[in-house]
Amino acid sequence: DAGVIQSPRHEVTEMGQEVTLRCKPISGHNSLFWYRQTMMRGLELLIYFNNNVPIDDSGMPEDRFSAKMPNASFSTLKIQPSEPRDSAVYFCASSLRAGGLGEKLFFGSGTQLSVL
Amino acid sequence: QQQVKQSPQSLIVQKGGISIINCAYENTAFDYFPWYQQFPGKGPALLIAIRPDVSEKKEGRFTISFNKSAKQFSLHIMDSQPGDSATYFCAASMQGAQKLVFGQGTRLTINP
Repeated sequence: DAGVIQSPRHEVTEMGQEVTLRCKPISGHNSLFWYRQTMMRGLELLIYFNNNVPIDDSGMPEDRFSAKMPNASFSTLKIQPSEPRDSAVYFCASSLRAGGLGEKLFFGSGTQLSVL
Repeated sequence: QQQVKQSPQSLIVQKGGISIINCAYENTAFDYFPWYQQFPGKGPALLIAIRPDVSEKKEGRFTISFNKSAKQFSLHIMDSQPGDSATYFCAASMQGAQKLVFGQGTRLTINP
């Protein structure tokens, strides 16, 4: 299995531009998570989906952020307009929900976003 | 109450030594405690996990010690090797919940 695939690996953009991050979860997994990692705040959960349905988006910082999962094999995280404080590594992770036995997350390699 | 506090922030250990990373939590509803390992340029990967019904879990050179009364748990890496150099995150979640709360991470360096 190829694991969780994220694209692009690196994104450099200017303030005010729209940014779209993409994720392909592991085939057969039914949960998908978007995390953001910064030195100051560590790993923060932004949003997660079960069976393509958003379950909890309380970690999304503001309305500039949106996430979609149109099907079981694809998700996007969009920032519009982007700001320098959005600069971070964004991770997508997937899991096979196992009925409360403890979530085993499989992370992608992340997208390093720099907003100038 | 949702926080998991991790220490130290960074740790340097000689090859062959024991690396110890500690975490503490407040929420007694947490019942799943995984540790994740992250190498530079990669996403975190699950290393080992424990539930509070046991006080210790060992997998190879990696051991989790769990103290329910103190609300603390720790990762011990025996015979530390340079290949163990990475950032380690503790985490916690509540029963049936999918949200993992991560600690701030510990950057571990094993000197050859």
